[in-house]
Amino acid sequence: DVKVTQSSRYLVKRTGEKVFLECVQDMDHENMFWYRQDPGLGLRLIYFSYDVKMKEKGDIPEGYSVSREKKERFSLILESASTNQTSMYLCASSSPGLWYEQYFGPGTRLTVT
Amino acid sequence: AQKITQTQPGMFVQEKEAVTLDCTYDTSDPSYGLFWYKQPSSGEMIFLIYQGSYDQQNATEGRYSLNFQKARKSANLVISASQLGDSAMYFCAMRGATQGGSEKLVFGKGTKLTVNP
Repeated sequence: DVKVTQSSRYLVKRTGEKVFLECVQDMDHENMFWYRQDPGLGLRLIYFSYDVKMKEKGDIPEGYSVSREKKERFSLILESASTNQTSMYLCASSSPGLWYEQYFGPGTRLTVT
Repeated sequence: AQKITQTQPGMFVQEKEAVTLDCTYDTSDPSYGLFWYKQPSSGEMIFLIYQGSYDQQNATEGRYSLNFQKARKSANLVISASQLGDSAMYFCAMRGATQGGSEKLVFGKGTKLTVNP
């Protein structure tokens, strides 16, 4: 059974903290994605990676960075968390040939106080 | 730029009945793809169905079918014989492009479907 796991389901951090959200997939997928989901806004792409050490900005990369040192792991980093980054963060992966058939993790609900 | 519009924030349906979730889109690309995803309360988005703009027939996957009307720029999801487990958020999406030219999904705001027993 294919699986995308995220390190935490719920996370509470303080303003200014550096926050790491981890995502691991076991499907040997080249593509990995980070989205944020906010009520009434749908999902918005933050960053994605199409190979190890390769990354590309999505629609809302400001305030975020990413790291992909191994194929199965894609990390989202909030360099200095702010309250407007309180959101649900979803990680996904896919193969290049079926890039749109993305497999999602359960999400991390991050609250920044 | 691509845009997806889902005008129904919430929908209710009786178990075993069919339901249609609306989706309209806007794009200037001659070739495009349309997708539907389901998000149960557990949070994990699940890919349901894909329709290519040049596909002659409407896509079907089990109880899911996509009512694709190109002239009207609509790609409605039809769920037949609704089940309690169909209660979830449903997102319509289409193929877009990042600033770097890579493919990405452009999502609508979603429709919350509730199936009543």
